[in-house]
Amino acid sequence: NAGVTQTPKFRVLKTGQSMTLLCAQDMNHEYMYWYRQDPGMGLRLIHYSVGEGTTAKGEVPDGYNVSRLKKQNFLLGLESAAPSQTSVYFCASRPGTGGGGTEAFFGQGTRLTVV
Amino acid sequence: AQSVTQLGSHVSVSEGALVLLRCNYSSSVPPYLFWYVQYPNQGLQLLLKYTSAATLVKGINGFEAEFKKSETSFHLTKPSAHMSDAAEYFCAVTTSTGRRALTFGSGTRLQVQP
Repeated sequence: NAGVTQTPKFRVLKTGQSMTLLCAQDMNHEYMYWYRQDPGMGLRLIHYSVGEGTTAKGEVPDGYNVSRLKKQNFLLGLESAAPSQTSVYFCASRPGTGGGGTEAFFGQGTRLTVV
Repeated sequence: AQSVTQLGSHVSVSEGALVLLRCNYSSSVPPYLFWYVQYPNQGLQLLLKYTSAATLVKGINGFEAEFKKSETSFHLTKPSAHMSDAAEYFCAVTTSTGRRALTFGSGTRLQVQP
């Protein structure tokens, strides 16, 4: 059981380049999330999805776009990378039923450096 | 809206000593509270969670946390630290409605000295 898988695990981009981070979950979860982790700031929500075909903004959405064309996949795009987007990115998923106490499962993270 | 404050970005204890990591939350509705642990270069792993069933919650690896509504706290404790407990710990809060996204504290890095 793979759980939540993120690709790639590491990436170095030049300023202005674009890329897409892929998150795939095999648990049939409704909710999916993208977070970024920066030192001393914990994890901050970038975008999220409550079901296939839906997306919404989180706390720090600027410079990112997302898509959820299939229930199991949640893509995070950077159209024009900036050094401020250097971070570790985490994807998470959780069931749509069971209330707020259900566990969120996290991927292993993508370490992105923008030079 | 909800928020989490973790007091102490770094905590250092001796092996065998009590571990106490502090978490205070703010929520306008009944909260669900979580502690996650992150080992170096890894994702987040759930330690324990509070879902209103019991105020004292036991988790994995000997950790426990007590929900205190009057103090809006959910501190994490372990009676005896082990070297393998060295990691970063995150407290998080969510609610049962809307996006159900976790709101995280800034994290506490635990060092365990031999």
